[in-house]
Amino acid sequence: EAGVAQSPRYKIIEKRQSVAFWCNPISGHATLYWYQQILGQGPKLLIQFQNNGVVDDSQLPKDRFSAERLKGVDSTLKIQPAKLEDSAVYLCASSLTLSDTQYFGPGTRLTVL
Amino acid sequence: AQSVTQLDSQVPVFEEAPVELRCNYSSSVSVYLFWYVQYPNQGLQLLLKYLSGSTLVKGINGFEAEFNKSQTSFHLRKPSVHISDTAEYFCAVIPAGGTSYGKLTFGQGTILTVHP
Repeated sequence: EAGVAQSPRYKIIEKRQSVAFWCNPISGHATLYWYQQILGQGPKLLIQFQNNGVVDDSQLPKDRFSAERLKGVDSTLKIQPAKLEDSAVYLCASSLTLSDTQYFGPGTRLTVL
Repeated sequence: AQSVTQLDSQVPVFEEAPVELRCNYSSSVSVYLFWYVQYPNQGLQLLLKYLSGSTLVKGINGFEAEFNKSQTSFHLRKPSVHISDTAEYFCAVIPAGGTSYGKLTFGQGTILTVHP
């Protein structure tokens, strides 16, 4: 069974530029999550989808971050404009349903200069 | 709301020695508990999980953890570590119900370094 796929693996941008990350969850997983992991910290949930609807986006900085889940499968996370403090690893995870085990992708390491 | 505290940020240990990584949690509702491992430049891999039943849970790579409800702890143990166990370990909880249903909360992580 294929795991969670993410691209790109690494991205370097300058502040105020925009960037987008892509995630393809495990086939059949209804729930998809985006996490931000700042160096030295545990992952922090940004947004949670159930199929193509948002379940929780309370910690998503909506003035600059946006996310969508196309047709309840793939998802994109966008940052516009980026700030220095957005430098982090962005992890995508998926699960069969809410509260099931979450499986993580390899992450995208973003560096904002 | 839930919170997770990993009591040690770094744990150095010699190869073939036993190790315990400590995790305490706080929650107003019942929770499920997880340990994940993160190798350098990789995503998180599930080590083990506690949903219900026996409080001693066995996972991959020889790790095990014990759920202690009275002490709200879920410590991770391995009787004999290998160099390849060097990684960062995260404890996490997810509420089994309530308004935060489905929301996974992580601890700060413990870096395990195994020396030859």
